[in-house]
Amino acid sequence: DAGVIQSPRHEVTEMGQEVTLRCKPISGHNSLFWYRQTMMRGLELLIYFNNNVPIDDSGMPEDRFSAKMPNASFSTLKIQPSEPRDSAVYFCASSLNDYGYTFGSGTRLTVV
Amino acid sequence: DAKTTQPNSMESNEEEPVHLPCNHSTISGTDYIHWYRQLPSQGPEYVIHGLTSNVNNRMASLAIAEDRKSSTLILHRATLRDAAVYYCILRKTGANNLFFGTGTRLTVIP
Repeated sequence: DAGVIQSPRHEVTEMGQEVTLRCKPISGHNSLFWYRQTMMRGLELLIYFNNNVPIDDSGMPEDRFSAKMPNASFSTLKIQPSEPRDSAVYFCASSLNDYGYTFGSGTRLTVV
Repeated sequence: DAKTTQPNSMESNEEEPVHLPCNHSTISGTDYIHWYRQLPSQGPEYVIHGLTSNVNNRMASLAIAEDRKSSTLILHRATLRDAAVYYCILRKTGANNLFFGTGTRLTVIP
């Protein structure tokens, strides 16, 4: 298994632009999570899905952030419009029920 | 959610055992104790988890106090590749989310 696949690995964009981060979870996993990591705030859970349904999006910082999971093998995290304070590493993770999470390698986002 | 307390940093000599402590005095009966680690420039990686009994796997051992208010992650023989931030996390049975604290940064000295 290739693990959790995130793309792109790095993204540099200008303030105000739309950014879309992508994630392919491990086949057979039924839960998917989006995290954000910064030096100041550490790892923050943004949203998680169970069986493609968003369960808890209370960690999404504001309306500029949205996440979708149209099917069991794909999820997106969109920021529109992006701001410099959104610069961070964004991780996607998947799991099967109560087993351990598998994280992707992350997307490093820089908004200038 | 019940919180955990870990030292900010620890050092270990290569090829020696490492004991990483975690306090969780407000743990409830349904909380599992999970450990993850994050190597430099990588995503977090699952290490081990347990509920009441000590657990062993190929990566590490988890020793859980009898009152469950503390636990210790044991790396039996530290290598340079074990240098990482180690997170101790409580996760309720059936809850499908993990909240990471600040963890312990382990430095392994050659």
